[in-house]
Parts: sequence; C-alpha cells; structure tokens
Amino acid sequence: GDSVTQMEGPVTLSEEAFLTINCTYTATGYPSLFWYVQYPGEGLQLLLKATKADDKGSNKGFEATYRKETTSFHLEKGSVQVSDSAVYFCALIRTGNQFYFGTGTSLTVIP
Amino acid sequence: GAVVSQHPSWVICKSGTSVKIECRSLDFQATTMFWYRQFPKQSLMLMATSNEGSKATYEQGVEKDKFLINHASLTLSTLTVTSAHPEDSSFYICSARGGTGNTIYFGEGSWLTVV
Repeated sequence: GDSVTQMEGPVTLSEEAFLTINCTYTATGYPSLFWYVQYPGEGLQLLLKATKADDKGSNKGFEATYRKETTSFHLEKGSVQVSDSAVYFCALIRTGNQFYFGTGTSLTVIP
Repeated sequence: GAVVSQHPSWVICKSGTSVKIECRSLDFQATTMFWYRQFPKQSLMLMATSNEGSKATYEQGVEKDKFLINHASLTLSTLTVTSAHPEDSSFYICSARGGTGNTIYFGEGSWLTVV
C-alpha cells in the first residue's frame, strides 16, 4: 500500500545552517506530494507541494523536488531561522481525500 | 485565512469514561471532515471520514462503536472516545475540506491521556 517514510528526528541546527529532511514514498501511479509544518500550538499548515514528477515546490525559502526515479521528496532550506522550529510532515495523496503521512520530524533551531 | 479549531487541546480522563473532542471550521463550511490518530513514533493514520448529515466511513481496524463520529453541521464534527482505555492515549487531529479551492485544512490536534 501507499506509505511515506521520513527521517527521524529530532533535528537540532544552529541558525543559518543548511537543512535537509529526507522523505521517500511508496505508491502506485502518480501521487501528489506535500510537506506540512506544525508550529507549537497550531494546526498543520501546508508548506509546499508538487503534483508531478520533476516539479519543485517552494515556499518561505523551503524547497522540495518530486523525484520519481528515487521516489523522494526531500525538504531543503539553505539557511534556517529560529522561527523555523516546528514539526515537519511529509505526505502523499493519490486518490480521493486520503493522506498518507510520515512520522514527522521535529526541528529545533538554536540562535 | 481558513482556520480549523480543535477543543480541547489536552485532556486527561479515567479508564472507562468517555471523552469528546470537537473540530470546528471557523470561517468556512466543511463538507467533509477527517479524523486522524498518531501514536508515538508512528505516522498520522486516518481513522474516519465524515460528511455532513451522513454516517462516517471508518478505516479498516478502527472500531466505529468505540470512536463515535458525529458531523451534525457544516462547521462541527465531534469524535467521542467511549469507554476509554490507556491504549487509546494518543494525538488526535482533525481536518476539514472546504473554503476557496475546496482545500483541506488541519486543526491543532488534541492530546488524550487515559489513566
């Protein structure tokens, strides 16, 4: 069945460091891929998405490229800030309304 | 923007009692709402899908008599955990589809601890 595997956390980085959170997926066909972020005390918010192979989603300095050949959708940011501290979830949706989520990766950025 | 609110954020209840979690869409009408559960170190797993005015559709392995879902209006869905057991302790999060573009929005989540 469909599934998402993302790198376990927690991840702690210094401000301005480079961030990569790995995400790989298993799905038949052509799923849409997402990164959601959850800041403390808030709901999951869509960070970025990509709907077909080779698409790059980007938002707030974060990027992820839909790589069908490696079934990956790694999240990257060149220079993290303290305000990026949150839990990041990789997810896919193939048909209908059902999301498949990864386990979430907690990121803490220290000044 | 659209907001989905859950209440309570944290709840502790005794074994054998029932607890209700509310999910509200604050500024849009949600035709469909979803309930997820996340156990420690595991993924968010879809429990059920509910459409306003009709019975919820439960995912395989989710006991519908234990996790009662009511979607009585276009802005409110409730999840009631009946006869709670410690193994029901988990993070429960709802999402709602609606608004501009028929987008899915997530609530803040609710932590349930059964003692």
